[in-house]
Amino acid sequence: AQKVTQAQTEISVVEKEDVTLDCVYETRDTTYYLFWYKQPPSGELVFLIRRNSFDEQNEISGRYSWNFQKSTSSFNFTITASQVVDSAVYFCALSEALDTGNQFYFGTGTSLTVIP
Amino acid sequence: DTGVSQDPRHKITKRGQNVTFRCDPISEHNRLYWYRQTLGQGPEFLTYFQNEAQLEKSRLLSDRFSAERPKGSFSTLEIQRTEQGDSAMYLCASSLSGQGAYTGELFFGEGSRLTVL
Repeated sequence: AQKVTQAQTEISVVEKEDVTLDCVYETRDTTYYLFWYKQPPSGELVFLIRRNSFDEQNEISGRYSWNFQKSTSSFNFTITASQVVDSAVYFCALSEALDTGNQFYFGTGTSLTVIP
Repeated sequence: DTGVSQDPRHKITKRGQNVTFRCDPISEHNRLYWYRQTLGQGPEFLTYFQNEAQLEKSRLLSDRFSAERPKGSFSTLEIQRTEQGDSAMYLCASSLSGQGAYTGELFFGEGSRLTVL
């Protein structure tokens, strides 16, 4: 069973619009970790955020914010006032063990295009 | 440059040939991972090392694939008798583990793109 689902394959927005990228995960573990990574055209995945399962506090970092809801198994990512430089593929990932095995399960990604 | 570096960035080969990719992780990182990414998909775990020990291998890693990390520093991923289905981006990542230092984030290289003709 797929552990991380990113239902939005592609999204296009006009610059300065807000955009939310959805992520739904599946796990039986009570302790797990969720991540968002950005993959620009250069190909290198860039870490954006990690959230522990026991910390449901939402987080804001500049124009980025993350909404973690265990009740719906979702970890959504919002970009406020989008910019052209935000154009990239964004991956949500789940890790069920931080120090043993540590397999990351990535979603299929959402390709975001910000139109100037 | 102190990030994860991979070489070569691009490799085109004919079916049946062997190829080898190299990854140099961030120097103080004790964990090294190999992932494979095909078009339109997220990275898929292949294998990982803690220092020089290969601790886990995915079932995606057929017997044509072998990975080594001989001195716990750089790693190589070799694919023997390549097939067209091996065409993908091969990503290397590293992380620091142990004594509370582990934050879970992986630091990725830019990948090695393999095209098998």
